[in-house]
Amino acid sequence: AQTVTQSQPEMSVQEAETVTLSCTYDTSENNYYLFWYKQPPSRQMILVIRQEAYKQQNATENRFSVNFQKAAKSFSLKISDSQLGDTAMYFCAFMKRQNNDMRFGAGTRLTVKP
Amino acid sequence: GAVVSQHPSRVICKSGTSVKIECRSLDFQATTMFWYRQFPKQSLMLMATSNEGSKATYEQGVEKDKFLINHASLTLSTLTVTSAHPEDSSFYICSARGVGIREKLFFGSGTQLSVL
Repeated sequence: AQTVTQSQPEMSVQEAETVTLSCTYDTSENNYYLFWYKQPPSRQMILVIRQEAYKQQNATENRFSVNFQKAAKSFSLKISDSQLGDTAMYFCAFMKRQNNDMRFGAGTRLTVKP
Repeated sequence: GAVVSQHPSRVICKSGTSVKIECRSLDFQATTMFWYRQFPKQSLMLMATSNEGSKATYEQGVEKDKFLINHASLTLSTLTVTSAHPEDSSFYICSARGVGIREKLFFGSGTQLSVL
């Protein structure tokens, strides 16, 4: 079974600064995807960024980037130039390529302070 | 992007009644849909996986007779909470995988169920 661990229940950052959220996972699979989802107070799950395990290059989406270390099974999210609208719960997720079975970490509550 | 519609967004029911939640893919065909449950301030826990035209696969510890899942078409899956009790109160979210889109899941907006 796959497990996803987010060791930071809560984090805060000043507006315009950079913050990194940690995520580690455990799997015996070789083909999989990793995701970061944002869940604002509306509770809608919003995809932030996605990484294919077979790609060595770290994914980037505007202010969001990841540090994917496959051997270490680590997948951290860096948010640059933090904005007030980034305040939300952030979930790291693992998905097997074979069957789209997606598992989530416990989440990190991020607060961006003005 | 692909849209998944989930209804109702909020439902309050009496203990012992049954509640049906719908999950529809609006602009794509969803061969597989997933149902998650989220307790306050906790993560999403996969309850079951439904494939169109076949029986759902339930995660360990999820009562299949209590949480009935039907995926009768490529655009609709339903979750029925039967004989609901207060401990079933939770936030339920569905997600869908499109035909030929293996690397993405699209999420519904969730349903807050409150059982009195």
